[in-house]
Amino acid sequence: GENVEQHPSTLSVQEGDSAVIKCTYSDSASNYFPWYKQELGKRPQLIIDIRSNVGEKKDQRIAVTLNKTAKHFSLHITETQPEDSAVYFCAATPNAGGTSYGKLTFGQGTILTVHP
Amino acid sequence: DSGVTQTPKHLITATGQRVTLRCSPRSGDLSVYWYQQSLDQGLQFLIQYYNGEERAKGNILERFSAQQFPDLHSELNLSSLELGDSALYFCASSVEGLGGNNEQFFGPGTRLTVL
Repeated sequence: GENVEQHPSTLSVQEGDSAVIKCTYSDSASNYFPWYKQELGKRPQLIIDIRSNVGEKKDQRIAVTLNKTAKHFSLHITETQPEDSAVYFCAATPNAGGTSYGKLTFGQGTILTVHP
Repeated sequence: DSGVTQTPKHLITATGQRVTLRCSPRSGDLSVYWYQQSLDQGLQFLIQYYNGEERAKGNILERFSAQQFPDLHSELNLSSLELGDSALYFCASSVEGLGGNNEQFFGPGTRLTVL
């Protein structure tokens, strides 16, 4: 099955700096890669996603890049703010077929701390 | 608010007991997913239902079972509970279950504590 590795496990930055979180996946059939932000005790919330037919997607201060050949994708947050502090999860979903419909495999999570 | 509701919010029970967690998907969503989040295992996919039928299974224990009803709400049943079952259980829903390319919206979760 799919395996998603996420690095780093913790990331500490100063307000205004950029933060980058990287994930690799194992199943070449995966074609949907969402990123979730989870605050302490709260539900995961989708912040951005990318599909395999594009290489990069941006939404204001957040961007995601995908390299299908190397099987890795990254989250980039620019001009970080203290409210960006949370746990970030990457995930991957394999293609349709078999018993893998919609099944998200998550990375281990990155605890991002933005210091004022 | 994602539109996905889960009850109860908190559940405290003893080992060996059985509990039922309930999830109502967003209006119009046909797929429901259950995830378990514990400190040492992260977010783990348990099971998915699409329009009343089981579609995908993850690392779900035999002591656990789920179903989706005609009104599309879903229940996750956990039996013979063990201390290690203590975790946050999330339900998520999406419009379609086919293709695996649909955004999943998470509910607020149920925190289960087994004493």
